[in-house]
Amino acid sequence: DGGITQSPKYLFRKEGQNVTLSCEQNLNHDAMYWYRQDPGQGLRLIYYSQIVNDFQKGDIAEGYSVSREKKESFPLTVTSAQKNPTAFYLCASPGPGNTIYFGEGSWLTVV
Amino acid sequence: GESVGLHLPTLSVQEGDNSIINCAYSNSASDYFIWYKQESGKGPQFIIDIRSNMDKRQGQRVTVLLNKTVKHLSLQIAATQPGDSAVYFCAENRISGTYKYIFGTGTRLKVLA
Repeated sequence: DGGITQSPKYLFRKEGQNVTLSCEQNLNHDAMYWYRQDPGQGLRLIYYSQIVNDFQKGDIAEGYSVSREKKESFPLTVTSAQKNPTAFYLCASPGPGNTIYFGEGSWLTVV
Repeated sequence: GESVGLHLPTLSVQEGDNSIINCAYSNSASDYFIWYKQESGKGPQFIIDIRSNMDKRQGQRVTVLLNKTVKHLSLQIAATQPGDSAVYFCAENRISGTYKYIFGTGTRLKVLA
């Protein structure tokens, strides 16, 4: 089954702790994105990668980091510098025709 | 885990009626538009898209209308069913492709039995 797989679905972070959200795709797409979704707001772009071994900051990159060592994988680390990390995180990848497809999302909660 | 979707405008429709969900897009240069459905706690699902050289496109039970003059997009759902209950939002981009997708905040559709 082709698609975008995010894990874990639910994650809890303690103060001062870094956590990593996984995103894997088997669509053979070049580009992968990370968005943050908060109540009442449109999706906000954290980081994006147009091709393997390259990534760029999005609109709200502060407190986050990413890597793109493999085409299939684009993990997002939420660092302790992110002061308000509780949100729903979506990994996405645009395909042919520019339609963007999403994973099932990961809930991150600070405890 | 239901926190996405709070404080959104809500459209309540009777089961079997038609639903119309609206979206005002922001960038005059956008020429590609997508509608997504997002159920509680899940990732957005692609519903239908339209390019700016069209003003209407139909899918299965869904129709998207595009009015470029007023930068307005609408999604019509025919014979709304309980399974249609979700948050719906639009996205805009360019056919030529750019990393910058702009997403609407969404509308919650509630189907009343």
